[in-house]
Amino acid sequence: DTGVSQNPRHKITKRGQNVTFRCDPISEHNRLYWYRQTLGQGPEFLTYFQNEAQLEKSRLLSDRFSAERPKGSFSTLEIQRTEQGDSAMYLCASSGGGSPLHFGNGTRLTVT
Amino acid sequence: AQSVTQPDIHITVSEGASLELRCNYSYGATPYLFWYVQSPGQGLQLLLKYFSGDTLVQGIKGFEAEFKRSQSSFNLRKPSVHWSDAAEYFCAAQPNAGGTSYGKLTFGQGTILTVHP
Repeated sequence: DTGVSQNPRHKITKRGQNVTFRCDPISEHNRLYWYRQTLGQGPEFLTYFQNEAQLEKSRLLSDRFSAERPKGSFSTLEIQRTEQGDSAMYLCASSGGGSPLHFGNGTRLTVT
Repeated sequence: AQSVTQPDIHITVSEGASLELRCNYSYGATPYLFWYVQSPGQGLQLLLKYFSGDTLVQGIKGFEAEFKRSQSSFNLRKPSVHWSDAAEYFCAAQPNAGGTSYGKLTFGQGTILTVHP
C-alpha cells in the first residue's frame, strides 16, 4: 500500500491558463474522488469515479473543469481558463474493498 | 439539505489536558460518521468511524468519539492531549447505504487545535 499519490504538489499559474492535475489511487481501489478545499473550509466534493465511469459530478464542477479516469487507474483533473477563484487545494481520495476513503496530500493551485 | 457543522473554529488546550471537539449533523436518517485529521500541507487521515452499534467508538492515536442520536452529535474526545495532536480536525458524514460501503463524504468546516506546552 503506497498510498494515494498526487502530482504536482504545488502549481502556480496565470489567470486564463489551463492546468492538469494527476491522481494515482491505491492500486486495488475501484472508487476515486476529487475534492476541493479552500482556506478555512472543509473539503467539498467535486466528482467521483467507479472504475472508469464518472458517476457523479457536483454543481461546483463548472464547464471549465473536466475529470477523466481512463482504464480505471489514475485520474486527471483539468481546469481550463483558470480564474483566481479556482485557487484551492485539490484533494484526491480512493476507496474500495471495504476500505474507507484514503486521501492524497493534495495539489495546491495558486492562480495569479 | 444534508450538512455537518463544527461549531468551534479554533480551540486551544494545554498539553496533558482533555479535549472535546464538537460535531453536529443534519440528515434525514442517521448517516455514517467520521473524524479526520489534517496536518498543514497534508492530506486527511482517518481517526475513527461510526456505522452502527456501540455509540462509543475508539480510534487511532488515543481518540474516541461518542454518537448521540438525540443530539445529532458525534463529538471527538481525547483524555490527554499531546503537542503532536496540533492539527485541523474534520467531522464528515455520508448517507447510510447499508453494509460498510464507503461513499461521498460531506465535511464540516473544521476545527483548528492548538496545543500549548
